[in-house]
Amino acid sequence: QSVLTQPPSVSAAPGQKVTISCSGSRSDIGNNYGSWYQHLPGTAPKLLIYDNYKRPSGIPDRFSGSKSGTSATLAITGLQTGDEGDYYCGTWDSSVSAYVFGTGTKVTVL
Amino acid sequence: QVQLQESGPGLVKPSETLSLTCLVSGSSISGYNWHWIRQSPGKGLEWIASIFDNGRTYYIPSLKSRITISVDTAKHQFSLNLSYVTAADTAVYYCARDPGGGGGRNWFDPWGQGILVTVSS
Repeated sequence: QSVLTQPPSVSAAPGQKVTISCSGSRSDIGNNYGSWYQHLPGTAPKLLIYDNYKRPSGIPDRFSGSKSGTSATLAITGLQTGDEGDYYCGTWDSSVSAYVFGTGTKVTVL
Repeated sequence: QVQLQESGPGLVKPSETLSLTCLVSGSSISGYNWHWIRQSPGKGLEWIASIFDNGRTYYIPSLKSRITISVDTAKHQFSLNLSYVTAADTAVYYCARDPGGGGGRNWFDPWGQGILVTVSS
């Protein structure tokens, strides 16, 4: 079963922008729809992006998703201290009929 | 408002069976896929099991011989059984709803708050 690769950490000052990459393969990101989750300390994970770029109601447009080939990207603009936490990408892996998460990225607001 | 609530023992002995239930409120069980996801201490999220609306089940390959997911529509809940547990199964276990419909479109929303299960004698 594949694992999606994310950078361990990214950081930026308040108000700035960060991007988080999610690298996969043809059997997962390449041929399926991706989603992104925010996991803040002590809380349940929350859906930020689904279907590669769609935002659920209530998610601010500071969060945006995109996909190109076998990679996906989450961008966070106007970074806030409340954004500090872990972020995960995820998608279905058709080769093993299983869902896979990314390795996770810790976002730090400097 | 859709809410999911996990329940079950917080402590399980090695070699025994871990049994968890996720009670669903504010949503029909039918028409959605349902999942279990866990997070071991210091590690990332790990999807472990799904039951789709069509009744098909899917499991992470590494646990396939020990894991079962089932749904009870009448009780508005779904369950997870993991047998022959070891310390490596110690984790926070989350249940989640998947409105995506499958076919490569899967996402988890909402999630339960999670339940910490420790495997220890």
